[in-house]
Amino acid sequence: GAVVSQHPSWVICKSGTSVKIECRSLDFQATTMFWYRQFPKQSLMLMATSNEGSKATYEQGVEKDKFLINHASLTLSTLTVTSAHPEDSSFYICSASPGTGMQPQHFGDGTRLSIL
Amino acid sequence: DQQVKQNSPSLSVQEGRISILNCDYTNSMFDYFLWYKKYPAEGPTFLISISSIKDKNEDGRFTVFLNKSAKHLSLHIVPSQPGDSAVYFCAASARYGDDMRFGAGTRLTVKP
Repeated sequence: GAVVSQHPSWVICKSGTSVKIECRSLDFQATTMFWYRQFPKQSLMLMATSNEGSKATYEQGVEKDKFLINHASLTLSTLTVTSAHPEDSSFYICSASPGTGMQPQHFGDGTRLSIL
Repeated sequence: DQQVKQNSPSLSVQEGRISILNCDYTNSMFDYFLWYKKYPAEGPTFLISISSIKDKNEDGRFTVFLNKSAKHLSLHIVPSQPGDSAVYFCAASARYGDDMRFGAGTRLTVKP
């Protein structure tokens, strides 16, 4: 089945560091990739939607300059948390879809980010 | 390796009938299971969950059944309504609040 690889799976770094998370679709071309952040009580927050070759669409309340998203190819999207602070510590999950709308989404295994 | 699998990419049901969405998992450490519903252009929203100490959890029209020995869970929607048409994701974690693993989703279409 379709596989999405997310890397790294966990990272611990000092406050002020920038962290890049990669999301790759391994066996299909991902027209659209999504970035989520998991909050307590299991809620998932959609941070942004990225389409290959165009700027990401950020959800209300998500800082574009803080969370940089690049979708440079049909198989790779990256999320960079710039100048990370302890409040950015969370579980970040990407998903990729070959299309839009009601197409299946394939989730990565997530990245646990801990900022000291 | 996919630890959470939803083998049916799509399901079509008549309004008023029962919708049954299935999910299988491979990791015996999973102890907490969730279902999410997703409409186009929106993030998934939490629907219902179950912990491994139960085999059934009900919330209105939605019931989740868990069979730990078979590593299988299912979501039943009765009666199904056109507004239930969405993509449904199954997710699992080792315990409540832990990082989740998601299935690929099942697209449910409820026809009037």
